[in-house]
Amino acid sequence: EAGVAQSPRYKIIEKRQSVAFWCNPISGHATLYWYQQILGQGPKLLIQFQNNGVVDDSQLPKDRFSAERLKGVDSTLKIQPAKLEDSAVYLCASSPPAGGITGELFFGEGSRLTVL
Amino acid sequence: DQQVKQNSPSLSVQEGRISILNCDYTNSMFDYFLWYKKYPAEGPTFLISISSIKDKNEDGRFTVFLNKSAKHLSLHIVPSQPGDSAVYFCAATINAGGTSYGKLTFGQGTILTVHP
Repeated sequence: EAGVAQSPRYKIIEKRQSVAFWCNPISGHATLYWYQQILGQGPKLLIQFQNNGVVDDSQLPKDRFSAERLKGVDSTLKIQPAKLEDSAVYLCASSPPAGGITGELFFGEGSRLTVL
Repeated sequence: DQQVKQNSPSLSVQEGRISILNCDYTNSMFDYFLWYKKYPAEGPTFLISISSIKDKNEDGRFTVFLNKSAKHLSLHIVPSQPGDSAVYFCAATINAGGTSYGKLTFGQGTILTVHP
């Protein structure tokens, strides 16, 4: 079974530039999440999709961050314009319907963003 | 507001001995807890979970203990192996009858180093 795919793995941009990250979840997983992990901290939920609808985006800085999940499969997270404090690893995760057996999330390898 | 805390940034143990990682939470609504392990340049992977109706869950070398009155959980690894060296994250969620899986609140992580 293929895991959660993310790209790019690494991205370096200057502040005020824009960046986009892509995620393809595990096949059949209806729920998709974007987490932000700043160095030395635990992952923080940015947005949660159920199919192509948003379930929770309460911690998404909507003035600069946007995310979409067209057709309920893959998803894109965009930052425009980027700030220095956006430097982090952006983790995409997916889970099966109703959380599966253990309620676990399956994470991708992450996209590391450095804003200079 | 740090609702899930891992107060030990790092832990060093000898191979074959027990590793004990601790986690405290403040939100009494949390009723499902998970531990994730993360290697460098990889996404977090699920390790073990526990529901608030239990006080212990065991899976091979890994055991999680939950003390609801103290709002404390711990992960025991016995015996510890060098391959266990990684960052361990504690996470919590409000299950709400199986509808809220995914909105995990993570601790800051503990770096475990197991020396041969």
